[in-house]
Amino acid sequence: TQLLEQSPQFLSIQEGENLTVYCNSSSVFSSLQWYRQEPGEGPVLLVTVVTGGEVKKLKRLTFQFGDARKDSSLHITAAQTGDTGLYLCAGARDSNYQLIWGAGTKLIIKP
Amino acid sequence: GAGVSQTPSNKVTEKGKYVELRCDPISGHTALYWYRQSLGQGPEFLIYFQGTGAADDSGLPNDRFFAVRPEGSVSTLKIQRTERGDSAVYLCASSLSGLAGGVVLNFGPGTRLLVL
Repeated sequence: TQLLEQSPQFLSIQEGENLTVYCNSSSVFSSLQWYRQEPGEGPVLLVTVVTGGEVKKLKRLTFQFGDARKDSSLHITAAQTGDTGLYLCAGARDSNYQLIWGAGTKLIIKP
Repeated sequence: GAGVSQTPSNKVTEKGKYVELRCDPISGHTALYWYRQSLGQGPEFLIYFQGTGAADDSGLPNDRFFAVRPEGSVSTLKIQRTERGDSAVYLCASSLSGLAGGVVLNFGPGTRLLVL
């Protein structure tokens, strides 16, 4: 059973378009992290959200944590080819080291 | 400064053989984690070290898997009697602290293990 469901699993869009990736669960998390992973590399942390309803912006990326701290979204504005990669969400519950991971959204931005 | 490094980057072995995977964490990071990532999946937790001791090894799939961190820095993941199902990318991560408060995991590039 996947405790964190990511959707879509795969997304291929043209450069310049907007997109949103979702991370959903029936469980409450104390914090949630988003990572980006490129082929042959480990995941790299993009952001951590900790407060229900929190919105964080990282240039063209906007991250939102749901009010009930069960879900999160990542919105990319005007996607660029450099945004291509695997986007993973990971939730922390009792102890922050024991992260629950989603299966990832594979994003391809076409020039 | 240098990030987390892992060796070898790729390992091909035969079913039944023994393998060792090495992780060099970021200097000064007390917490070290091993994860396993299968194709199309997110990382799966294996074990967490705080200093020299394994604080949580609940993710190790069975007793063929063992990990050590004798001096609180470098860690080795050891897999005995490898099986084809062990094929995956083994990721190591380190952090300044494993305590609550928004731990930041710094991942290495992983070791791709293929068991034939």
